[in-house]
Amino acid sequence: QSVLTQPPSVSGAPGQTITISCTGSSSNIGAGYDVHWYQQLPGTAPKFLIYGNSNRPSGVPDRFSGSKSGTSASLAITGLQAEDEADYYCQSYDSSLTVFGGGTKLTVL
Amino acid sequence: QVQLQESGPGLVKPSQTLSLTCTVSGGSISSGNYYWSWIRQHPGKGLEWIGYIYDSGSTYYNPSLKSRVTISIDTSKNQFSLKLSSVTAADTAVYYCAREVEYCGGDCSSYFDYWGQGTLVTVSS
Repeated sequence: QSVLTQPPSVSGAPGQTITISCTGSSSNIGAGYDVHWYQQLPGTAPKFLIYGNSNRPSGVPDRFSGSKSGTSASLAITGLQAEDEADYYCQSYDSSLTVFGGGTKLTVL
Repeated sequence: QVQLQESGPGLVKPSQTLSLTCTVSGGSISSGNYYWSWIRQHPGKGLEWIGYIYDSGSTYYNPSLKSRVTISIDTSKNQFSLKLSSVTAADTAVYYCAREVEYCGGDCSSYFDYWGQGTLVTVSS
């Protein structure tokens, strides 16, 4: 049972927009800790995608965006592409401990 | 470009100690701006943070593993290491090393900007 809750799966057709939620509580996201996101392509290590709720590292397409409100955060992917099919993880802090969401599998139909 | 590479046995017997090393290239492990972390992923499951070490040698571990974990650093070799004692089948996982960056947008937290490719460690007799 992860401290941060993500939907197990989402899907969308190419070109569409999807969002992945990351729901926490008053001890983590709601306490003011930022949320970071990672993309894990099949059989590979996680890749750094979003930091500080909404900031993209260099090289990450602007199709990826993040937001945070209250005790939740979201990752949005616009203009969905086949290569976006992957697992996505949110990450934050809880009582000074690094915690991850359980992950969301994105399927591009 | 910073690169991290895990190395160590892929098979460990129950009750023994799992030992892995992460070699960092493309940057100094002693730069003072980063934490050096271990994260694991059980087969088909999510990510679990194990702990980190700073170049000074200070460490911080996940309380759920703290009694069995030791992370050490060798700045002369640009490496850091993980030891996990008294392993069981539940410790079978892909183990990643990663560079952890402190971030203080809201309350200070941190994120992992560079990851190793991961190494599968199986605990079995």
